[in-house]
Amino acid sequence: AQSVTQPDIHITVSEGASLELRCNYSYGATPYLFWYVQSPGQGLQLLLKYFSGDTLVQGIKGFEAEFKRSQSSFNLRKPSVHWSDAAEYFCAVGDPYNNNDMRFGAGTRLTVKP
Amino acid sequence: ETGVTQSPTHLIKTRGQQVTLRCSSQSGHNTVSWYQQALGQGPQFIFQYYREEENGRGNFPPRFSGLQFPNYSSELNVNALELDDSALYLCASSLDQGANQPQHFGDGTRLSIL
Repeated sequence: AQSVTQPDIHITVSEGASLELRCNYSYGATPYLFWYVQSPGQGLQLLLKYFSGDTLVQGIKGFEAEFKRSQSSFNLRKPSVHWSDAAEYFCAVGDPYNNNDMRFGAGTRLTVKP
Repeated sequence: ETGVTQSPTHLIKTRGQQVTLRCSSQSGHNTVSWYQQALGQGPQFIFQYYREEENGRGNFPPRFSGLQFPNYSSELNVNALELDDSALYLCASSLDQGANQPQHFGDGTRLSIL
């Protein structure tokens, strides 16, 4: 079964600085890859997804992610962070051969300094 | 369009009791998945319903059960509640089954077991 690791529990960046959140997965083939964001007291919102094709994918709110097969990674980036980006970010992987097997990482909490 | 709604928002129960959580899926979605999110963790897959049938289950005991109705709304039932069941329970609906389907989450039900 696939698994997903988010190595950083908590990251703090200054407003306007760039951001990269790391995600590594373990799977025999290329899984379906997702990034979700969760604000306090709310459910998860999809930022972007990757299934195949161009390895750089664009999402909502100015986020992008790059799939690197050689590193089994799917890191999330944003060139300039806004205070409203403070939230919990989850990487998730779906198994193309098992319809309902969706695994989430433990999350990375982002704090934005003024 | 109406998003995913969950009720109640918060619930307090004692050990040994039973609880029912409810979820209305987004319009046009026929698949509902339930997740348990413990504090500081990512969501853990409980089970999925597709067109009123259970369509896969995570590593949860049989005292976690569910239903999906003809209008695709869903219930999660938990019997013999334990302290470790304290968590945020998230419902997510998707347009169809399949691990490539983006999931649309509700804001969750916060369950506290005393």
